[in-house]
Amino acid sequence: GQSLEQPSEVTAVEGAIVQINCTYQTSGFYGLSWYQQHDGGAPTFLSYNGLDGLEETGRFSSFLSRSDSYGYLLLQELQMKDSASYFCAVRFSGTYKYIFGTGTRLKVLA
Amino acid sequence: EAQVTQNPRYLITVTGKKLTVTCSQNMNHEYMSWYRQDPGLGLRQIYYSMNVEVTDKGDVPEGYKVSRKEKRNFPLILESPSPNQTSLYFCASGGGADTQYFGPGTRLTVL
Repeated sequence: GQSLEQPSEVTAVEGAIVQINCTYQTSGFYGLSWYQQHDGGAPTFLSYNGLDGLEETGRFSSFLSRSDSYGYLLLQELQMKDSASYFCAVRFSGTYKYIFGTGTRLKVLA
Repeated sequence: EAQVTQNPRYLITVTGKKLTVTCSQNMNHEYMSWYRQDPGLGLRQIYYSMNVEVTDKGDVPEGYKVSRKEKRNFPLILESPSPNQTSLYFCASGGGADTQYFGPGTRLTVL
């Protein structure tokens, strides 16, 4: 079936760089999005890759490679406030049907 | 302030008692959607709407109904709730470039 796979948990220290991977077994989608969700909060949009390659937004970057069925979110200069869950998502071509990955819980240690 | 609002934020009900969760957005977005979030399963799309009177099924539509009579509102209806619909529900809207704006969530418990 169509799915997006993410590691369930990642731990890193403040100031470090961390990469959260998203591998997918699906085709026919527009692009890959990333969302952040703090405990008790709503998901908030972080980044979108419509084309293959790297997109940079401040400390966050996102990458997509359709040929490798793979994408990632890169967080630099980690801060305690980055401790949250991160979800990748795709929208299927010709629709507004979305699927989300199961999410990666990032823990940032002091 | 641009936002998506949902009501109620918390709801405890009993099996079979019809309920409606409201969702409203003030960004004039054409796209609106409902998701449920369960531990370990991420966000799963229930229904979405591309415009007034245009709705379609997401991944998990069974047991739910929606309507889109006005552009700003997209209520979620559970006509006969069951315990397996106990979940955290999010409404979202989007204007383009695959950016979705989520409401604060509604935590539903069905006893």
